[in-house]
Amino acid sequence: AQSVSQHNHHVILSEAASLELGCNYSYGGTVNLFWYVQYPGQHLQLLLKYFSGDPLVKGIKGFEAEFIKSKFSFNLRKPSVQWSDTAEYFCAHGSSNTGKLIFGQGTTLQVKP
Amino acid sequence: DTAVSQTPKYLVTQMGNDKSIKCEQNLGHDTMYWYKQDSKKFLKIMFSYNNKELIINETVPNRFSPKSPDKAHLNLHINSLELGDSAVYFCASSQRTGVGYGYTFGSGTRLTVV
Repeated sequence: AQSVSQHNHHVILSEAASLELGCNYSYGGTVNLFWYVQYPGQHLQLLLKYFSGDPLVKGIKGFEAEFIKSKFSFNLRKPSVQWSDTAEYFCAHGSSNTGKLIFGQGTTLQVKP
Repeated sequence: DTAVSQTPKYLVTQMGNDKSIKCEQNLGHDTMYWYKQDSKKFLKIMFSYNNKELIINETVPNRFSPKSPDKAHLNLHINSLELGDSAVYFCASSQRTGVGYGYTFGSGTRLTVV
């Protein structure tokens, strides 16, 4: 069965620190990977996605993620976080046919000013 | 105009009641979804409809019944509400069925059952 796991449940960083959030997926077929962000009280917004091609994906707001097939990982990174990055971050895998998204447990990122 | 709008935004109700949450999208998308986010922020799909036809029906109690009167609307009716139904319910839409078309999420409906 498909599954997505995020290792870090709660991360606290100071502004300007570098960020890496882990995501591992379990799926033997075509990978369709996403990172979503949910700011407090808001809906999910797409940060970036990977379907194929260059395994280093650049997204919005300075975020990037690297797909490493051998490790079944799709970690999210940002070189220097800002207070406004405080949010919930969700990794997800999508079904090519049904469009169903399987989400990880989410990581709460708290950035201290 | 909001692309995917849900009403109400907040809903507080007593156990045993029946309630509905409405979702409308003005994007012309064919496919709509309901996701449930529990108190631990875990998101899980409940239903998916493509052009008024049910595609995905996850293991959800029969008390939950989706209804899609047209492809722009996907409503969620919940009978005999229980405390465990308290959650945030997100509606989403995509142009077509399939992961390549992207998703637009609504702002969520926070349901509190007391």
